[in-house]
Amino acid sequence: ETGVTQTPRHLVMGMTNKKSLKCEQHLGHNAMYWYKQSAKKPLELMFVYSLEERVENNSVPSRFSPECPNSSHLFLHLHTLQPEDSALYLCASSQDDDSYNEQFFGPGTRLTVL
Amino acid sequence: GIQVEQSPPDLILQEGANSTLRCNFSDSVNNLQWFHQNPWGQLINLFYIPSGTKQNGRLSATTVATERYSLLYISSSQTTDSGVYFCAVERPFYQETSGSRLTFGEGTQLTVNP
Repeated sequence: ETGVTQTPRHLVMGMTNKKSLKCEQHLGHNAMYWYKQSAKKPLELMFVYSLEERVENNSVPSRFSPECPNSSHLFLHLHTLQPEDSALYLCASSQDDDSYNEQFFGPGTRLTVL
Repeated sequence: GIQVEQSPPDLILQEGANSTLRCNFSDSVNNLQWFHQNPWGQLINLFYIPSGTKQNGRLSATTVATERYSLLYISSSQTTDSGVYFCAVERPFYQETSGSRLTFGEGTQLTVNP
């Protein structure tokens, strides 16, 4: 399934580094999402974009900065992260429709902060 | 917010056995999805099932929205069915806003032994 792709798949970074995660969807959807999955925890919604506008920010620290330049691409810019930010970061997309809004996920980026 | 409870948390089966996974939720929903997360972290869509019954091969799902639960049935299990099964729901409130907001349960860890 290559409807939603994410790069890189694995990332190791120091606390002072700046890096970016990239997500691309090939499904013609108009909404995109970032989720965080920490060990032994359910997925947590971080950001929601609909028609390239951010419509939700679930109290995420400012060291995570999302960007959605168009409806097919979503980025998550990372700077001065903490070791507790190590997690699997998942991107998803959906067609924002009143009657149908199934989300489809990318393979994730496994992030380790040293 | 809405509460999502999945049971059992862990399940170990012999190949060929059948199983039923349960998802209870605390409020009415307009979206319910079942996912399988493979060992590499990829979330695979199984069913989009806010109500009713669906079948796909050896898997089927039933959601009884009025009683706030959903069941996922796996028949003739195979070792490739191993992984974590997640239920995720969305409340109707968010129909008035853009995008979709899924709340995930903690998952059922399924292990199928040969």
